[in-house]
Amino acid sequence: DSGVTQTPKHLITATGQRVTLRCSPRSGDLSVYWYQQSLDQGLQFLIQYYNGEERAKGNILERFSAQQFPDLHSELNLSSLELGDSALYFCASSSDGGSSTDTQYFGPGTRLTVL
Amino acid sequence: GQQLNQSPQSMFIQEGEDVSMNCTSSSIFNTWLWYKQEPGEGPVLLIALYKAGELTSNGRLTAQFGITRKDSFLNISASIPSDVGIYFCAGLEGGADGLTFGKGTHLIIQP
Repeated sequence: DSGVTQTPKHLITATGQRVTLRCSPRSGDLSVYWYQQSLDQGLQFLIQYYNGEERAKGNILERFSAQQFPDLHSELNLSSLELGDSALYFCASSSDGGSSTDTQYFGPGTRLTVL
Repeated sequence: GQQLNQSPQSMFIQEGEDVSMNCTSSSIFNTWLWYKQEPGEGPVLLIALYKAGELTSNGRLTAQFGITRKDSFLNISASIPSDVGIYFCAGLEGGADGLTFGKGTHLIIQP
């Protein structure tokens, strides 16, 4: 158990809909990262938040957005969903997120299926 | 963006054999990490490497950070059935950034 929690574990929705995925980082960690894992693209970094502020952006679509709240939990919002958005979405956390020695620990993921 | 080339894509081995997999990149990374993922779970960190040339062990696992900072390998000695899973290399270019992952090596062990 990494200490990172994600809800829900599974999510099934229809095209055009909007969903929210939730992540709670390990106790004491200030940074949260979101990743998408699909069969064709593999694991792709989406976005990082540190202590409530966006710190780094990866391959995140404009239809997707995230935020980190004062209690440090984070939410990933996916809107206007398309079939291709079906994937596993992972959250990871690290203590700092500002140094190359800062280790990222992954949650169990949310499996999103768009029908 | 950056890409990591991980090989082999899959390995079919007998229990007790040693395993070797590697990752190469066209650009430099400051940190190399090796994760293992099992079905229905998130990646679990196995080994973290922070300095060029560093060789680190974790039980039967050994990983090295290449001198050029563009490659890394992971060795597993005397494989056992619970080693089955997908192994990913990941690189971190700087501090505030996300990990760049390889495509994974799927390890299958035949008893």
